[in-house]
Amino acid sequence: AQSVTQLGSHVSVSEGALVLLRCNYSSSVPPYLFWYVQYPNQGLQLLLKYTTGATLVKGINGFEAEFKKSETSFHLTKPSAHMSDAAEYFCAVTLRSSNTGKLIFGQGTTLQVKP
Amino acid sequence: GAVVSQHPSRVICKSGTSVKIECRSLDFQATTMFWYRQFPKQSLMLMATSNEGSKATYEQGVEKDKFLINHASLTLSTLTVTSAHPEDSSFYICSARTGSGNTIYFGEGSWLTVV
Repeated sequence: AQSVTQLGSHVSVSEGALVLLRCNYSSSVPPYLFWYVQYPNQGLQLLLKYTTGATLVKGINGFEAEFKKSETSFHLTKPSAHMSDAAEYFCAVTLRSSNTGKLIFGQGTTLQVKP
Repeated sequence: GAVVSQHPSRVICKSGTSVKIECRSLDFQATTMFWYRQFPKQSLMLMATSNEGSKATYEQGVEKDKFLINHASLTLSTLTVTSAHPEDSSFYICSARTGSGNTIYFGEGSWLTVV
């Protein structure tokens, strides 16, 4: 069975500092991987995804993530945090073979950005 | 990117009544839509997979007679919470898979409060 673990339910950084949100997955076969952001009382917005090809994926708002098969990880980074980045971030996976779009989510990480 | 719209965004209903939430894909056809439930400060839990023209597939533990899902067209899926109880109060989010299969877009979510 697939699972997703986000290390750290709460991450706090200063404005301008590096953002690193960790995500590890467990899957019998390499899955598709996603990062979503959720602002208060809103739905989810896709930040980026990995399906095939280059393992370093660039997304919106300056975020990027690197798929590391050997480490079963898909950590999300941003070189310089903005106040507007404060939100809830979810890592998710779906089975590559099934291709149904049925996502398994991590527990979420709350990103706080301090001025 | 693709747009998925949910309506209503907020609804309050009396205990024992039924309430319907709509999920529409605005600029693409979605053969498959998904319904999630999210409790405050928690991750998303998949409730069911909605396939156009066929019965929904429910996740283990989700009462199919309580959460009725209808996917009557390629752009519309509805979730009806029947005989609602206060414990059904939650944030309900739908998502839709694009035709290419590996991108999933989420609606804005619907807050349901049962009083």
